[in-house]
Amino acid sequence: KQEVTQIPAALSVPEGENLVLNCSFTDSAIYNLQWFRQDPGKGLTSLLLIQSSQREQTSGRLNASLDKSSGRSTLYIAASQPGDSATYLCAVQSTGYSTLTFGKGTMLLVSP
Amino acid sequence: DAGVIQSPRHEVTEMGQEVTLRCKPISGHNSLFWYRQTMMRGLELLIYFNNNVPIDDSGMPEDRFSAKMPNASFSTLKIQPSEPRDSAVYFCASSLTPRDEQFFGPGTRLTVL
Repeated sequence: KQEVTQIPAALSVPEGENLVLNCSFTDSAIYNLQWFRQDPGKGLTSLLLIQSSQREQTSGRLNASLDKSSGRSTLYIAASQPGDSATYLCAVQSTGYSTLTFGKGTMLLVSP
Repeated sequence: DAGVIQSPRHEVTEMGQEVTLRCKPISGHNSLFWYRQTMMRGLELLIYFNNNVPIDDSGMPEDRFSAKMPNASFSTLKIQPSEPRDSAVYFCASSLTPRDEQFFGPGTRLTVL
């Protein structure tokens, strides 16, 4: 059974810092990996999707990498802003399944 | 595009009552997913449909839960009878195909007293 772990569970940084959020998964047989953002009391917003054949994806200040063999993904946020404050969730779609397995998330607070 | 639409946004009910949650997926999307989010367990898949057919319902907790998708633009998740442990946020998501990027609705916050 696929398990997804996100470290750290919470992170507080001052505005302007570059930061890295980590995601690890136990079964490397994945189809894709997706990063989401969740604001308090809101739904999930898809940030980036990385196919298993890809090494990274970029969108603006966000860069997600994937190392399938080691079961790891990182989400890099450059020049963080207070508006980046949210919970970031990593989700994996395993080969042979059409459903996502989610991590518990990293709660990010960027202070001005 | 309006995105995935869910109703109601909030539901407060008493134990034993029937609860029906509704979802309208993004037009043209063929796959629909129901998730539940709690502090203890995080986000868990309950059931998903492809082309209106239930494909995987292994996450449905028990017989009190049922889901239907009568057409491509509407799905319901019903809990009967509801219990306090069902209190959670229920999300609906849709995607073009089961393998594509999933887009989530705003969720329904259910409180069972």
